Amino acid sequence: DVKVTQSSRYLVKRTGEKVFLECVQDMDHENMFWYRQDPGLGLRLIYFSYDVKMKEKGDIPEGYSVSREKKERFSLILESASTNQTSMYLCASSLFGGWGISDFGEGSWLTVV
Amino acid sequence: ELKVEQNPLFLSMQEGKNYTIYCNYSTTSDRLYWYRQDPGKSLESLFVLLSNGAVKQEGRLMASLDTKARLSTLHITAAVHDLSATYFCAVGYTNAGKSTFGDGTTLTVKP
Repeated sequence: DVKVTQSSRYLVKRTGEKVFLECVQDMDHENMFWYRQDPGLGLRLIYFSYDVKMKEKGDIPEGYSVSREKKERFSLILESASTNQTSMYLCASSLFGGWGISDFGEGSWLTVV
Repeated sequence: ELKVEQNPLFLSMQEGKNYTIYCNYSTTSDRLYWYRQDPGKSLESLFVLLSNGAVKQEGRLMASLDTKARLSTLHITAAVHDLSATYFCAVGYTNAGKSTFGDGTTLTVKP
């Protein structure tokens, strides 16, 4: 019953490395989202996409970029990882963006050293 | 600015007791979600509430929505340890393209 899959669950990367976090959904949803979650800061939206090749900045886009070449896949890219990007990253999808999120991925724990 | 406020943020309760978590939001919404998150895990959707007066129940959890008051509640009945988790509400706005989350309520149920 897989719906939203984040292929990398636990990563350790060095400062300055380029990091790719991949997310795939199998529900034919239009909208996909990337959040990060840090203790005491709740969920913060990084980027979202409402269609293939379309993207919108969320609340904290600095230091990140995204790619959506196919409807089912939404990638988060850290061009040059920094220690303050150590966090849990959550991918999510929804049929319509403003309707709320029905499905989250399992999360990717990234540590930057 | 769209705001979603949950209270309390931390809740410690005894097994067998009842309690309510509140979720206030600032602008008319199209739908409201409640999620559960266990430590180290992702969020799991519990309920989606679509209209004024909507009530959903599963097990010891019951969620309701009052769109006129811009308030949703998550009521816990006869709490058990397995309900210990963080609960988030989130509000969806069709024209916004995204939903807005509350800060979460961390519930600890003690024997």
